[in-house]
Amino acid sequence: DQQVKQNSPSLSVQEGRISILNCDYTNSMFDYFLWYKKYPAEGPTFLISISSIKDKNEDGRFTVFLNKSAKHLSLHIVPSQPGDSAVYFCAASGLVLGQFYFGTGTSLTVIP
Amino acid sequence: SAVISQKPSRDICQRGTSLTIQCQVDSQVTMMFWYRQQPGQSLTLIATANQGSEATYESGFVIDKFPISRPNLTFSTLTVSNMSPEDSSIYLCSAGEGQGLQPQHFGDGTRLSIL
Repeated sequence: DQQVKQNSPSLSVQEGRISILNCDYTNSMFDYFLWYKKYPAEGPTFLISISSIKDKNEDGRFTVFLNKSAKHLSLHIVPSQPGDSAVYFCAASGLVLGQFYFGTGTSLTVIP
Repeated sequence: SAVISQKPSRDICQRGTSLTIQCQVDSQVTMMFWYRQQPGQSLTLIATANQGSEATYESGFVIDKFPISRPNLTFSTLTVSNMSPEDSSIYLCSAGEGQGLQPQHFGDGTRLSIL
């Protein structure tokens, strides 16, 4: 049973525009949420996180929004750059110490 | 953040053989994990590698198939035993402190193909 879901397998955005990647989760006990970026032939790289006590966390061009009532989080990238083209995974934790649950990923393509 | 090195980066193996993947962290970490990413799928946790004790396996994964060692706080191995084509996957090691709100950091993975 997939507890973290990314329903859009792919997304294309023009350079300079906003990229919005979405993620839904099913377990209300999750208290920590993360986004990872993955390039081909590399491992996932931690991008940004948010705890359940917040609804927004910003780091440069990246902002993560959390809507606990909807069990939904999103990653906004503004402005999008061609180097942002990668697969983005969302993850959640809080059930078992150190255990992360990952979504299936969204492949972002930023078109120059 | 911790730097994680995995060896080998890729391998092609014969059915029925076993392969051991090594994971080295450049600093002591509390927790190390092994994941599998099958083609087009999410990252699935295989087990938590516990230092000085037996690994904790997730549902669907067993020690006989995926024996894990963790002799110290910077090193772990995962063995994929008696391989079949269904084991073709990317295997990823990660490390984290496991407490507080801290991310896990990943190695580059081992891409395994079974003929």
